Amino acid sequence: GNSVTQMEGPVTLSEEAFLTINCTYTATGYPSLFWYVQYPGEGLQLLLKATKADDKGSNKGFEATYRKETTSFHLEKGSVQVSDSAVYFCALTLNTGGFKTIFGAGTRLFVKA
Amino acid sequence: IAGITQAPTSQILAAGRRMTLRCTQDMRHNAMYWYRQDLGLGLRLIHYSNTAGTTGKGEVPDGYSVSRANTDDFPLTLASAVPSQTSVYFCASSQGTGGEKLFFGSGTQLSVL
Repeated sequence: GNSVTQMEGPVTLSEEAFLTINCTYTATGYPSLFWYVQYPGEGLQLLLKATKADDKGSNKGFEATYRKETTSFHLEKGSVQVSDSAVYFCALTLNTGGFKTIFGAGTRLFVKA
Repeated sequence: IAGITQAPTSQILAAGRRMTLRCTQDMRHNAMYWYRQDLGLGLRLIHYSNTAGTTGKGEVPDGYSVSRANTDDFPLTLASAVPSQTSVYFCASSQGTGGEKLFFGSGTQLSVL
């Protein structure tokens, strides 16, 4: 079946540290891949996306590359800030046969000053 | 401000009671969705609607019903609430149904006692 697996949290980092949150997927067909971020007390909002193999999505210093050979879409940021503390969700949307967006379980990030 | 409005923000409900969660969007998006968010499980799709007048079942539809009488509104009804329906509920929308990003409301925290 189709699924998204992301690293368990919480992840705790000091400010300016390098961030990696791993995400791998299983899907039939050719999915689009997304990272969403959820700040405390809010709904999810799109952080970045990639729609085909080798595409790199980027936003606010975050990056993720669509790796078809390893079925991965790892999220990275070179220098995190306290304001990046949030829950991050990896997701895929299948582009064939109608709608389906599948989310990973989420990874909570704490950034200490 | 354009977006998705959910009501109520939070609710405590006795088991066996009927409850309707409201969702309204003003972006004229075709598709709308209801998700529940549970710790360690991420977001799971309850029901969706690709366009006004149509609805479909998601991953966890049992105990819930929806209607889509018009483009803007997509209420979620729990006919007889049970404690396992304690969760945070998010309404979302997208312009289309293929690989589109989702826009989320701020959520409804529901506790069934």
